Amino acid sequence: NAGVTQTPKFRILKIGQSMTLQCTQDMNHNYMYWYRQDPGMGLKLIYYSVGAGITDKGEVPNGYNVSRSTTEDFPLRLELAAPSQTSVYFCASRQTGGGTGELFFGEGSRLTVL
Amino acid sequence: DAKTTQPTSMDCAEGRAANLPCNHSTISGNEYVYWYRQIHSQGPQYIIHGLKNNETNEMASLIITEDRKSSTLILPHATLRDTAVYYCIVRVYGSSNTGKLIFGQGTTLQVKP
Repeated sequence: NAGVTQTPKFRILKIGQSMTLQCTQDMNHNYMYWYRQDPGMGLKLIYYSVGAGITDKGEVPNGYNVSRSTTEDFPLRLELAAPSQTSVYFCASRQTGGGTGELFFGEGSRLTVL
Repeated sequence: DAKTTQPTSMDCAEGRAANLPCNHSTISGNEYVYWYRQIHSQGPQYIIHGLKNNETNEMASLIITEDRKSSTLILPHATLRDTAVYYCIVRVYGSSNTGKLIFGQGTTLQVKP
């Protein structure tokens, strides 16, 4: 049981490039989330999903896209990277109903756009 | 989901109790209070949650006021390893949950020797 796995852990992009941050979970959680955290700041919700085929915008969705074709995977796509997207990105998942309802986080993906 | 307000930072002496407050004055009757902490730049870690009764686990205690408009996370004997950012969030639990989870700025707790 690996929990929430994010790849890559580190990446440097040039302005205008695109990339996909991968997130997969093996806990059969319906809810998945993408957050970004700028230096010294709290977590900001980018997108979230309540199940396969369903996604919704969070607080800061501009410049990002997501898809949820399976329960396990929730990739985050950055189109036309900008320096403002330099941040640490966290993926998280949680169970619906039962248990504590806690969020399980990945280790983070550190992205620098130059 | 209701918004929360927390102090930006707090200090605590090692071995003393750390009491971290959270205001959630617009909380609804079916919203739970959750606490997480983030050490360095790791992913946040769940600590505890509650609805209206006080809760205790091996990590901490959660005290929720009778009107549920505020709560306090208590670390009974803070250690240097408890230095972290602590987040208080509120959300609906169960099938009526919209799914959206908003974190605020959190409280940076500095435990000092």
